[in-house]
Amino acid sequence: DAKTTQPTSMDCAEGRAANLPCNHSTISGNEYVYWYRQIHSQGPQYIIHGLKNNETNEMASLIITEDRKSSTLILPHATLRDTAVYYCIVRFRTGTASKLTFGTGTRLQVTL
Amino acid sequence: DVKVTQSSRYLVKRTGEKVFLECVQDMDHENMFWYRQDPGLGLRLIYFSYDVKMKEKGDIPEGYSVSREKKERFSLILESASTNQTSMYLCASSLPRQGGTDTQYFGPGTRLTVL
Repeated sequence: DAKTTQPTSMDCAEGRAANLPCNHSTISGNEYVYWYRQIHSQGPQYIIHGLKNNETNEMASLIITEDRKSSTLILPHATLRDTAVYYCIVRFRTGTASKLTFGTGTRLQVTL
Repeated sequence: DVKVTQSSRYLVKRTGEKVFLECVQDMDHENMFWYRQDPGLGLRLIYFSYDVKMKEKGDIPEGYSVSREKKERFSLILESASTNQTSMYLCASSLPRQGGTDTQYFGPGTRLTVL
């Protein structure tokens, strides 16, 4: 799986949009971009994933650049409960079970 | 919504004890996984299963075994617990996706302390 680079930490005011960047310059055509988050002492939570097109669900939006070398996860109206470590992962399209590998992620702190 | 549950959130055991960690998912997922998570080491795969009675070793299977007798349940067994198995244990499940990649859904985790 391709390597990803994320900022170590970010702050965001409650109610504002949180934009979390991820660089994956070595991504190949068969690799998806996945985002998970982990709130302290809890299991990781799936947020969203995409291949080429931008994606949106009830939790977030994922913007992938045209060259696919980077992406941004957007939480449109961050709340205190969104304080967590966010992991950007690139995963190969295997069609079968494969392990998840988390990097160090971005620690997002949402403040009042 | 996918629901993955784990039998305990916190567990304290003594060295040498046999430990069972249970995981149940309610979405008829074929794949199930056991990971451990340690500070500075990230997520490491212990074992996974892609079908009932089928299992595959992950990256760190030593000291562990697994059991999958029913599709919804995947158990992790520490035959003789040791202090270096103190960790957060995470169970996940997923559906295989032809032409795609599987999305794994995690349980809340079990924090195991071995004294």
